[in-house]
Amino acid sequence: DGGITQSPKYLFRKEGQNVTLSCEQNLNHDAMYWYRQDPGQGLRLIYYSQIVNDFQKGDIAEGYSVSREKKESFPLTVTSAQKNPTAFYLCASSISRTGSQPQHFGDGTRLSIL
Amino acid sequence: DAKTTQPTSMDCAEGRAANLPCNHSTISGNEYVYWYRQIHSQGPQYIIHGLKNNETNEMASLIITEDRKSSTLILPHATLRDTAVYYCIVRVVNDYKLSFGAGTTVTVRA
Repeated sequence: DGGITQSPKYLFRKEGQNVTLSCEQNLNHDAMYWYRQDPGQGLRLIYYSQIVNDFQKGDIAEGYSVSREKKESFPLTVTSAQKNPTAFYLCASSISRTGSQPQHFGDGTRLSIL
Repeated sequence: DAKTTQPTSMDCAEGRAANLPCNHSTISGNEYVYWYRQIHSQGPQYIIHGLKNNETNEMASLIITEDRKSSTLILPHATLRDTAVYYCIVRVVNDYKLSFGAGTTVTVRA
């Protein structure tokens, strides 16, 4: 089945530690996105990528980093500089980044602080 | 961005059609109407989108008024698995991000 796979489902971070969230898609989509969702709130865009080896900051990129070495993969690193990392992280992809194409989401990774 | 207004919550009976309204009175000509839903602890699920014309797919129908200031998502035969938060989103054609509001919490009752 085609889709977006995020792993792990739950992740715990110690103080001062960097952690990496995985996102893989087999939909052959060019564009990929990372969003953050806090309880009772909407989604906020962290980073997006339109094509391999290219990515752009979203609204809340500070404390996060990404890479796009392969079309199907867009991992997100939550660095120690992110002081409030506890949230639900969602990866999405779309055929292209235009508003005429829907974004499809994975099932998310829930990150908590130990 | 054009804002959307949705009811906070709705109940509907299993097996009946669920009609979810959305107001987007400041929508522009180059903005799409999107609907997503999110079941607790899962990622948002794309349902349907449209620009001007009514749209139908295997999940739902989208009815957009002629002046485009409002729309209705129709789930033809609601099931208990349709219980979720439903988001109506207006998105500019060249916009790369989705902006989710508070949505409508839909509870399907047996």
